[in-house]
Amino acid sequence: DVVLTQTPVSLLISLGGQASISCRSSQSLVHSNGNTYLHWYLQKPGQSPQLLIYQVSNRFSGIPDRFSGSGSGTDFTLKISRVEPEDLGVYYCLQRTHKWTFGGGTKLELK
Amino acid sequence: QVQLKESGPGLVQPSQTLSLTCTVSGLSLTSNSVSWIRQPPGKGLEWMGVIWSNGGTDYNSAIKSRLSISRDTSKSQVFLKMNSLQTEDTAMYFCARSDYWGQGVMVTVSS
Repeated sequence: DVVLTQTPVSLLISLGGQASISCRSSQSLVHSNGNTYLHWYLQKPGQSPQLLIYQVSNRFSGIPDRFSGSGSGTDFTLKISRVEPEDLGVYYCLQRTHKWTFGGGTKLELK
Repeated sequence: QVQLKESGPGLVQPSQTLSLTCTVSGLSLTSNSVSWIRQPPGKGLEWMGVIWSNGGTDYNSAIKSRLSISRDTSKSQVFLKMNSLQTEDTAMYFCARSDYWGQGVMVTVSS
């Protein structure tokens, strides 16, 4: 089974600062159809996860351009610029190239 | 718009079987896959399994022997059944397409 390793486990960021989260896969996430099904979610306290980025770098509907995704193969990164209070919560990466697997999560908190 | 809603008992006794229903609207089960995901209190997300648009299923290998996912397309419902429940199965259970999630249902395993 695919293992996704997310780092760091927690992040302390000042308002207006930048955050970067890494997600590394134990195997390539390139599907046989050429697509890479690596997504990013934010789960705020008491809520369901919400999709931020799908297929590595595409922002979901209504997601501001402060959120950006990049990467290929086995290494992926989520960047959040100009952090705002509503960005706080736990971020997860998800791969659905080989069934589904979630990363362990990264908690974003205010410094 | 796309909506998913989980329902089921909040309390299950140890060794018993959990039965949950996911009722969807705004999407057809014959052209969309639906996954079940769970989250123990204070912990990360665990993918449980998926029912594909063609009715086939895939499961997390760690719980495959206890899990069954099925559907009734006429009622737009997806079902989860998991047997031999233990206290460590206490969790919030979500159903989701990859971009839309239900609100979740909390299941406590206790005598």
